[in-house]
Amino acid sequence: RKEVEQDPGPFNVPEGATVAFNCTYSNSASQSFFWYRQDCRKEPKLLMSVYSSGNEDGRFTAQLNRASQYISLLIRDSKLSDSATYLCVVNIGGSQGNLIFGKGTKLSVKP
Amino acid sequence: NAGVTQTPKFQVLKTGQSMTLQCAQDMNHEYMSWYRQDPGMGLRLIHYSVGAGITDQGEVPNGYNVSRSTTEDFPLRLLSAAPSQTSVYFCASSRGQINQPQHFGDGTRLSIL
Repeated sequence: RKEVEQDPGPFNVPEGATVAFNCTYSNSASQSFFWYRQDCRKEPKLLMSVYSSGNEDGRFTAQLNRASQYISLLIRDSKLSDSATYLCVVNIGGSQGNLIFGKGTKLSVKP
Repeated sequence: NAGVTQTPKFQVLKTGQSMTLQCAQDMNHEYMSWYRQDPGMGLRLIHYSVGAGITDQGEVPNGYNVSRSTTEDFPLRLLSAAPSQTSVYFCASSRGQINQPQHFGDGTRLSIL
């Protein structure tokens, strides 16, 4: 099953770089969208929700394209502390039981 | 504010043993869930609950039981452990509406020998 697909990476970038992750989803009825961050051997933590109009939180910008069924995450001015795995999460239905997690994209920011 | 608390953090079992993974949240969240995370795979939903007394199966429920007698607690029981159940288990909770984020516990690393 490939309901949520992400490029697994790893993305290796220098500090200060801009990096973009894409995620595609297969269910056109998907209702809510999130980006989570997971550090090595830690639990996932919400980075940001993704809204239809796009949204920004500091160096992070999330976009949603319903017509093409993809969401994106842009990280500007990368920091060493941004190194982590970024999970795309989509709710495909009417309850919390319908959350689908992507396998994640690994980011490594180098000095 | 402890959030979501999972115990134990690590456990080694022998094939055929049973055990219960504990999960408790102090945020009065309606929705709780259990996921497993295996290398190269996304988190997969095992069971979830939309409130006390209500549970339902997720994507990979076989070999696991749950109950939700209180809003705070949502234990996961392995009935007869198998090596295929070696994984990292995460409990999560949320307010229940579909646009609400999940709050995760810090996981239980389980090895079945």
